[in-house]
Amino acid sequence: EAGVTQFPSHSVIEKGQTVTLRCDPISGHDNLYWYRRVMGKEIKFLLHFVKESKQDESGMPNNRFLAERTGGTYSTLKVQPAELEDSGVYFCASSQHPVTDTQYFGPGTRLTVL
Amino acid sequence: DQQVKQNSPSLSVQEGRISILNCDYTNSMFDYFLWYKKYPAEGPTFLISISSIKDKNEDGRFTVFLNKSAKHLSLHIVPSQPGDSAVYFCAASSGAGSYQLTFGKGTKLSVIP
Repeated sequence: EAGVTQFPSHSVIEKGQTVTLRCDPISGHDNLYWYRRVMGKEIKFLLHFVKESKQDESGMPNNRFLAERTGGTYSTLKVQPAELEDSGVYFCASSQHPVTDTQYFGPGTRLTVL
Repeated sequence: DQQVKQNSPSLSVQEGRISILNCDYTNSMFDYFLWYKKYPAEGPTFLISISSIKDKNEDGRFTVFLNKSAKHLSLHIVPSQPGDSAVYFCAASSGAGSYQLTFGKGTKLSVIP
């Protein structure tokens, strides 16, 4: 069974540019989560999809971040325009059932904003 | 305001001995706790979990203990192996309509051969 995949693995952009991160969850997992780890800090929740619907987006930092999951399969997280403080590692996770099932994480996308 | 705290940034243990990693939490609504292990350049990998209705869960060399009154949990690894060297994250969720995981900052475990 393939795990959670994320693309790209690294992205270096300049302040003010736009970046789109992609996450492909484990097949059959309706629940998809985005998390972020800023250097030296804990991994923090950004949002949770159930299929194509946003269940909880309380962790999204501001309106420069837009997450989508059209069709309930893969998800994208767009940052526009990127700021220096957006640098960090963005993780995606998926689970079959939100309460009883473990969240399985992807390898992350390391975003560097210069 | 950190709701999950791992106060030891690092821990070194001799191979074959016991590793004990600690975690404290402040949110009384947390009812499900997990430990993840993370190698460099990889995502966190699930290790073991415990529900708040239990005080111990064991899986092979890994045991998690939960003390609800103290809001404390610990992960015991016995015996420790060099391959266990990684960063260990404690995480918690409340399950009360929100399934987000709240993580600690992690403890870097080094198992010395």
